[in-house]
Amino acid sequence: GENVEQHPSTLSVQEGDSAVIKCTYSDSASNYFPWYKQELGKGPQLIIDIRSNVGEKKDQRIAVTLNKTAKHFSLHITETQPEDSAVYFCAARGLTGGGNKLTFGTGTQLKVEL
Amino acid sequence: GAGVSQSPRYKVAKRGQDVALRCDPISGHVSLFWYQQALGQGPEFLTYFQNEAQLDKSGLPSDRFFAERPEGSVSTLKIQRTQQEDSAVYLCASSLGLNTEAFFGQGTRLTVV
Repeated sequence: GENVEQHPSTLSVQEGDSAVIKCTYSDSASNYFPWYKQELGKGPQLIIDIRSNVGEKKDQRIAVTLNKTAKHFSLHITETQPEDSAVYFCAARGLTGGGNKLTFGTGTQLKVEL
Repeated sequence: GAGVSQSPRYKVAKRGQDVALRCDPISGHVSLFWYQQALGQGPEFLTYFQNEAQLDKSGLPSDRFFAERPEGSVSTLKIQRTQQEDSAVYLCASSLGLNTEAFFGQGTRLTVV
């Protein structure tokens, strides 16, 4: 089955700096890669996603890049703000197991310091 | 409602007790998923429904776990004879269909004492 690894596990940045979180996946058939933000006591919230036919996608301060050859994808947050502090999860969805379940990374605790 | 609703938000069960967790998906969403999230970990897939059909239950950890969605809308995850290792947040997600965005509920935090 799919295996997703995520780094770093914790990330501390100064307000206004950029933050980068990286993930790798194992199943070359995976074709959909969402990123979720989870605040304490809440469920994961989708912030951006990318499909395998696209190399990069941007939405305001958030961007995601995908390298299918290397099976890497990354989340980039620019001009970080204190409200960006949360746990971020990458995930991958492939064609195995019915083709609809997400395999998540272990999460990155992002702290944006004033 | 506007989002995925789960109840109860918190559940404390004595070891050996049976529990039932409810999920109300977004209206019109055909696909429904259950995930288990242990403390400090990412969500792990349990099971998946397309309408009332349970198409994948490969993630259910044991035969003590049972999920149903009899009318293709509300779903219930039942855990029989709860054990301490069942303590986790149970997340429900729904999506319009295959290959579409999944929306998560706030989860039910289960603590087995």
